[in-house]
Amino acid sequence: AQKITQTQPGMFVQEKEAVTLDCTYDTSDPSYGLFWYKQPSSGEMIFLIYQGSYDQQNATEGRYSLNFQKARKSANLVISASQLGDSAMYFCAMREGIGSARQLTFGSGTQLTVLP
Amino acid sequence: GAVVSQHPSRVICKSGTSVKIECRSLDFQATTMFWYRQFPKKSLMLMATSNEGSKATYEQGVEKDKFLINHASLTLSTLTVTSAHPEDSSFYICSARGGGVNTEAFFGQGTRLTVV
Repeated sequence: AQKITQTQPGMFVQEKEAVTLDCTYDTSDPSYGLFWYKQPSSGEMIFLIYQGSYDQQNATEGRYSLNFQKARKSANLVISASQLGDSAMYFCAMREGIGSARQLTFGSGTQLTVLP
Repeated sequence: GAVVSQHPSRVICKSGTSVKIECRSLDFQATTMFWYRQFPKKSLMLMATSNEGSKATYEQGVEKDKFLINHASLTLSTLTVTSAHPEDSSFYICSARGGGVNTEAFFGQGTRLTVV
C-alpha cells in the first residue's frame, strides 16, 4: 500500500486565490512527521511546512497552512493568495518514527500552475 | 534554514566512465545523509541512507557496487556512479539531517546526470 498518496497530478489556480493540495498517508506508527516540499523547475527541494503527529494545532508558515486531520489521515496543504511564483511541483512526505536515520517517503507530487 | 550544497549541478559523461557527486552540509553536522533519484515528472525514490563513519544502507533494487556512497565526515557524503550507462541518466538529490528527534531534512540543489 502507498504510504503517501497525492491524488491530484495537476492543479490550476487563479492568481490571488487559495488552493488546497491533497495528501493522505498510511502508517501504524503513532509517532510520525508530515512535510510539504516545493520543487520548482530548477529541481531544488524547498521545505515549506511540518506537522508532527502529536501536534495539537495545525501548522502554519506564512501563506502556507497544513490542514491536519489525524483521524482521516490527511494532511492537506493550503496555499492562500496564490502567486505566479508558486507554480511548481509540490510533494507531501512522511517520516515514521523518531530518530535521525529515518528517511522521508514521498508522494507522487502535484503540479500546481498559477494562472495570471 | 540550514544549507546543503550539492555539486556538480549538471554533468555529462561518457558511457563506461564514473561520476562523483558531492553533498556537503555547510552549517551543521549531518549525522545522516540520504540519496534520492528522481525521474522526470516522478517522485523522489530513496536509494540509500548513510551515517557518518559506517556503511550505507541501500534500498532494495539499488546496486551498491554501482552506486558507491561514502560518508567519511559529518559534513560530506559522496555518491559515485560507476561505469555509467545511459539508463543511469537521472536527477540525483541528497538530503542531510542533524541529530535530534524531529529535525527536518535539508536538500541539496540536485545533480542532473546525462550519460551519453
